Amino acid sequence: DIQMTQSPASLSASLGETISIECRASEDIYSNLAWYQQKSGKSPQLLIYAANRLQDGVPSRFSGSGSGTQYSLKISGMQPEDEGDYFCLQGSKFPFTFGSGTKLEIK
Amino acid sequence: EVQLQESGPGLVKPSQSLSLTCSVTGYSITSNYWGWIRKFPGNKMEWMGYISYSGSTSYNPSLKSRISITRDTSKNQFFLQLNSVTTEDTATYYCAKKKLTGSWYFDFWGPGTMVTVSS
Repeated sequence: DIQMTQSPASLSASLGETISIECRASEDIYSNLAWYQQKSGKSPQLLIYAANRLQDGVPSRFSGSGSGTQYSLKISGMQPEDEGDYFCLQGSKFPFTFGSGTKLEIK
Repeated sequence: EVQLQESGPGLVKPSQSLSLTCSVTGYSITSNYWGWIRKFPGNKMEWMGYISYSGSTSYNPSLKSRISITRDTSKNQFFLQLNSVTTEDTATYYCAKKKLTGSWYFDFWGPGTMVTVSS
């Protein structure tokens, strides 16, 4: 299985701050990577797919980048509603695998 | 809009079977792919398997022969059965729809249902 190593495990950011979350795959996943946000008690929301494509309705302060085995999610200007858990998903090879998650809080 | 809703028992005894239903509105399950994903205490997530628009299935090898995903197209529902459960199957279970374009991304998820395996 492809291992997805996500960092950091937790992050505290001030309002307006720009933050990044990383996912590293154990092998090339050819940009077949998605980023999700999950708020407490809610279902995951797709933010980014294909490494850098913004899902419809997602604010433009969210962006994704990367290729090969290294990917990142950037939030440009932290907002209060961005608090939550974030995780990556590789959709390149069965079985699909997830990163371990990042808990993002407001400082 | 597409909506998914999981339902089923919240408590299952060890060695028994876990059975969940995913009810879909706003989209026919005879189109696209439909999956089951679970989130364990501690937040690790696992893709369990999917059923396709034609009824074909694919499962995570880690679940070996314990898992079965079926459907009822007349009710627009699909189902998860996991046999011989242990306490390690305690998790929140989600059903989800694959995004129509591109690779294996799930764009709509149910709210999840928590299942505890305990005697």
